[in-house]
Amino acid sequence: DAKTTQPPSMDCAEGRAANLPCNHSTISGNEYVYWYRQIHSQGPQYIIHGLKNNETNEMASLIITEDRKSSTLILPHATLRDTAVYYCIVRVADGGATNKLIFGTGTLLAVQP
Amino acid sequence: GAGVSQTPSNKVTEKGKYVELRCDPISGHTALYWYRQSLGQGPEFLIYFQGTGAADDSGLPNDRFFAVRPEGSVSTLKIQRTERGDSAVYLCASSIGSWGGTEAFFGQGTRLTVV
Repeated sequence: DAKTTQPPSMDCAEGRAANLPCNHSTISGNEYVYWYRQIHSQGPQYIIHGLKNNETNEMASLIITEDRKSSTLILPHATLRDTAVYYCIVRVADGGATNKLIFGTGTLLAVQP
Repeated sequence: GAGVSQTPSNKVTEKGKYVELRCDPISGHTALYWYRQSLGQGPEFLIYFQGTGAADDSGLPNDRFFAVRPEGSVSTLKIQRTERGDSAVYLCASSIGSWGGTEAFFGQGTRLTVV
């Protein structure tokens, strides 16, 4: 079972910041938070991941609460091409056999012109 | 190519037939994953290879499904006696290692239709 909870859908105006929430209240100390997105008819695309600290890359920022029970993915200036299903995933940090990504149903972000 | 390659991109087969789906991971990636995705659902884990061995096959739905990775690179997902319920997009991903801080790169998938 997926260990995260996300809203099924969100809208965002083009050019504005998109803030996608994720709850992972049962996260363990050795689990990372990963975000992937899937544009229609394509394979999932990696966005960002983090363990404890906030992270930023060229695509997005990841804000993780201090208790690590929730996080927010921020797309600073959403474009129409950011319309996709966004998946928040928790994943163990060790190299053991349980290293798979478990996807839920994600959030469908619709960027409006 | 630089990415994960899956062939064929589309496969239509008759119920009861055998199919093979191929995945070419990114060169040097030791971890390889197979997923399947039904319409409106997130990808569902099937099997994970670390090198040549299946480290976790807990997602394979039944014994009609089997996957191999004999040389630790290319992998083949094999489905025997296909059923209409096997229709889905089958996704392959690879990553440079198996530890949790690595990112997995996905292919475009093979759309399997069983008629």
